[in-house]
Parts: sequence; structure tokens; C-alpha cells
Amino acid sequence: EVQLVESGGGLVQPGGSLRLSCAASGFTFSSYEMNWVRQAPGKGLEWVSYISSSGSTIYYADSVKGRFTISRDNAKNSLYLQMNSLRAEDTAVYYCAREASDGDQYYFDYWGQGTLVTVSS
Amino acid sequence: QSVLTQPPSASGTPGQRVTISCSGSSSNIGSNTVNWYQQLPGTAPKLLIYSNNQRPSGVPDRFSGSKSGTSASLAISGLQSEDEADYYCAAWDDSLNVYVFGTGTKVTVL
Repeated sequence: EVQLVESGGGLVQPGGSLRLSCAASGFTFSSYEMNWVRQAPGKGLEWVSYISSSGSTIYYADSVKGRFTISRDNAKNSLYLQMNSLRAEDTAVYYCAREASDGDQYYFDYWGQGTLVTVSS
Repeated sequence: QSVLTQPPSASGTPGQRVTISCSGSSSNIGSNTVNWYQQLPGTAPKLLIYSNNQRPSGVPDRFSGSKSGTSASLAISGLQSEDEADYYCAAWDDSLNVYVFGTGTKVTVL
């Protein structure tokens, strides 16, 4: 059974840092691209970042570029999101999501349960 | 700011058919396939439809998707109480180089 379990969320002051983790199991983690998606309270979904299976290709949403860093450790079946210079508008539930493909088209076929990040003084 | 536009709400009685629209542009829906996600209250999103009209294993055939030009739609036939959820369309945007989600539609079963 595919499982994605996020951790590391919590309350942090504006300007602070936090590192999220996503532990994967039930599939060959090193074969899949991964993403982070967030959802502010009462709002819609926002894609945050992508990392290729090897970690060699990375993309970010403009809203987090230069502040967030995505990474992965295929030996540990883990995905990470280092978040620096946090702002109030980064407050959200953060989901990790596995990416699957249908030819050259992509979609997120499994999602974690999410971890809440609250940025407030 | 979402670039895919959905109606904020839709509703129907049990057994009815409900349709949700998703409007985009040539750089997203017009160029790429559309996926739909269902988010039940208090839970993580779940893949409902991929590649415009494909259902993952386990998704009831009451759910169907279609795409035409720069718009897409999700239909729920034989609406059931457990279908009360938020529904999001999504697609890759070639101009923005990001994966974009729709604004979301809350479906209520009356």
C-alpha cells in the first residue's frame, strides 16, 4: 500500500525556518517524481514545488522561489521541504504528492495527510 | 491566484446529475490534459480523474470527465451523499511552467 506521511509542521514566527519531511513507503520511491502542494486555511490548492526522481530537476512556484528548497533522499525514501524566511501567507497545510504519468502528461496519484504550518508572532 | 476558473458551488438532490466546469486557456487546458481531485471534508485531496477522462482504480463510474478546447468538465451522475466535497481541476501550464489548480467547487447534496 502506498503511504506518504508528512511531518515537521508547527508554529513559527515570521522570518523563521521550518523543515518538512515526507516519509514514503509501499512503492519504489526512487522511481517517482514528487511534489509539495499547500492549502491555506479555507482556501484552494496551490502547487509549491517539484523534484525529479533523481533530484536533478527542480521547479518552484514564484511565491516560494528563493525561500524554499525541495530535496530528497532516495536511500531513506524521504522528501523534504526546507522553508526559510517564512511569511504569514505561507500558513497552510502542506501535502506531499506522488507524481504519475500518462505519456507526457502528469498528475498526482497519491497524497499524504498533510502537515500544518502556522506562521505567526 | 488560480488560472483555472470553476464555479464556487454546485448542488443537487440524491440521484441527480451534477456538472462542474473548469475554464482555462491555450497554455494550460488547451495544451495539456486535465485532472480532477476530490477533497472530502477534513481530508487530503484524492485523484478522481486523470488525462481528461480516465478513472483510477476504485473510482466509481458515476464520475466522468471531458475536455473541449480550453475548457473541461466533471460530471457526477447518480449523486450520492458521500459525494459532498470540494472538487478541483488541474493542469500543467506551459507559459507559467507550473502545475495550476482550479478555484475549486463545493458540491452540496440537498
